[in-house]
Amino acid sequence: GAGVSQSPSNKVTEKGKDVELRCDPISGHTALYWYRQSLGQGLEFLIYFQGNSAPDKSGLPSDRFSAERTGGSVSTLTIQRTQQEDSAVYLCASSSRDYTGELFFGEGSRLTVL
Amino acid sequence: GNSVTQMEGPVTLSEEAFLTINCTYTATGYPSLFWYVQYPGEGLQLLLKATKADDKGSNKGFEATYRKETTSFHLEKGSVQVSDSAVYFCALNSGYSTLTFGKGTMLLVSP
Repeated sequence: GAGVSQSPSNKVTEKGKDVELRCDPISGHTALYWYRQSLGQGLEFLIYFQGNSAPDKSGLPSDRFSAERTGGSVSTLTIQRTQQEDSAVYLCASSSRDYTGELFFGEGSRLTVL
Repeated sequence: GNSVTQMEGPVTLSEEAFLTINCTYTATGYPSLFWYVQYPGEGLQLLLKATKADDKGSNKGFEATYRKETTSFHLEKGSVQVSDSAVYFCALNSGYSTLTFGKGTMLLVSP
């Protein structure tokens, strides 16, 4: 596609449910990033993929959070047993080359946990 | 560790006013510095960047100069427009795999 695509754009769930957020990066981009944007907290790094491997998952806040990437393309961020503090906008970005800082962001998935 | 500090917003200006958004950083090594912008309802996009000391990044009338001696990368624009209303994020990349972002500064420009 022309840009980074994320789905769903909005997700409302009940506390304790599992959610999956999907990211489809720009075709050919090898690096993929997940960030979380919370009100007043800026952008918090979650995990980085190079191809299908995740050399840096240091930002995942707890073991309820996991992510995978298949075929060097689509990535899924899974949050198990959601809590109210997980409410945020989850942003995905991709990059054609590593370590340049030029990231292309999707519009995000807004998660609300009731 | 790496960190970025931005002035808190919102910054409220009238059209054609001069804009400065302050950004300072803490980092090991020699980071590249970035400004990203998030317009309402859109994803973040790169506005400008500088990769070494004394470099000036510029785009769409915005400028920022990489000042190593003051560890700063302040964003400036001589005459803002209503369409510049957005959230601006300062960020750094010190050669590792991720960007470290500031908390963002909202800019509101009124006619």
